[in-house]
Amino acid sequence: GENVEQHPSTLSVQEGDSAVIKCTYSDSASNYFPWYKQELGKRPQLIIDIRSNVGEKKDQRIAVTLNKTAKHFSLHITETQPEDSAVYFCAPDFNQAGTALIFGKGTTLSVSS
Amino acid sequence: NAGVTQTPKFQVLKTGQSMTLQCAQDMNHNSMYWYRQDPGMGLRLIYYSASEGTTDKGEVPNGYNVSRLNKREFSLRLESAAPSQTSVYFCASSESSVEPQHFGDGTRLSIL
Repeated sequence: GENVEQHPSTLSVQEGDSAVIKCTYSDSASNYFPWYKQELGKRPQLIIDIRSNVGEKKDQRIAVTLNKTAKHFSLHITETQPEDSAVYFCAPDFNQAGTALIFGKGTTLSVSS
Repeated sequence: NAGVTQTPKFQVLKTGQSMTLQCAQDMNHNSMYWYRQDPGMGLRLIYYSASEGTTDKGEVPNGYNVSRLNKREFSLRLESAAPSQTSVYFCASSESSVEPQHFGDGTRLSIL
């Protein structure tokens, strides 16, 4: 089955620093690469996504880069703020009987001021 | 605009009891999903429905059944609850399987 790995599992940064989370996947047929943010006790929410025909996408302080050959994509957060503290999940699509997203185990980001 | 609504928000069951978790979306989405979330395990897909009238197993379907009642509603049933099914359950919907998923607020289920 599909294997999705996120690294690191925890990340602590100072406010204003940058944070990078990497997601490695195994399905070479994956074409959709989203990142979700989940604050404590809340539901996951999409923060950015990218498709296989694009190498990079930016939205203000957040960016996602994709290396389809190496089968990994990364979330980049610049100028981190305390409200960025949350668990972040990558969820590449997985194509077998149907198409679904397979979520990584998550990265807990802590931003201290 | 409510988005995805899950009921109930909390539930405590005894081992062997049955229960149905309800999910409804008002965004006219085609695809709907049920996940469970356990500490350190991320979100694991239980079942999904790519479109009205279809359902497929996800990673962890054992012990669960689903019904796509209509385009809006997708229910998850535990026929004989077990302590291993204690978890937070999330329902989600999306326009298609490769579009952003919108999640409900979750159901916290404890099985004693």
